Amino acid sequence: NAGVTQTPKFRVLKTGQSMTLLCAQDMNHEYMYWYRQDPGMGLRLIHYSVGEGTTAKGEVPDGYNVSRLKKQNFLLGLESAAPSQTSVYFCASSYSRTGMNTEAFFGQGTRLTVV
Amino acid sequence: KQEVTQIPAALSVPEGENLVLNCSFTDSAIYNLQWFRQDPGKGLTSLLLIQSSQREQTSGRLNASLDKSSGRSTLYIAASQPGDSATYLCAVKRVTGANNLFFGTGTRLTVIP
Repeated sequence: NAGVTQTPKFRVLKTGQSMTLLCAQDMNHEYMYWYRQDPGMGLRLIHYSVGEGTTAKGEVPDGYNVSRLKKQNFLLGLESAAPSQTSVYFCASSYSRTGMNTEAFFGQGTRLTVV
Repeated sequence: KQEVTQIPAALSVPEGENLVLNCSFTDSAIYNLQWFRQDPGKGLTSLLLIQSSQREQTSGRLNASLDKSSGRSTLYIAASQPGDSATYLCAVKRVTGANNLFFGTGTRLTVIP
């Protein structure tokens, strides 16, 4: 029962460095999401995808890029990391937008620190 | 914009007590509402999902209700246990706009043995 798996779990970056966070789901879900969680602010949507080859901006997309080349994978990239991007990043997936199968499943998170 | 509020931010109760966590949202045009549990340093675990046409959902000692017209949901936990200690988050999926969940900031629950 892998569900949603995020890689890596922890990372420390220096300002200006780049990195890619990988999210993989094995539930054949169409929809995938990247959120960030900051103290006192709840989870906020960065980018999302409604299917293979498609991506869209969420609430806080600046400084991030994403790609969905395969249905099961959703990558989040930071081209030039900034201290303001220090956060916990969560990936989620769901089967479809409407109907009963809209429960969202989350990964375990990636704790990123930018120094 | 959808805003989700959870009150109180923190709650401590003695073991065995029944308790209610509250969630309110500003836009009633939602597909569903989901309650999650988050343990420190961990991810989110889905507890209950209530569709917009439903009034409540139950799972074991948990019961979630939804009053869409008033923009409110409650999570009732019966006979609380120390293992229930965690942060509880509610999230709503709205009908229009970006396809995502809007989260509250959570209620941190501590059950004292």
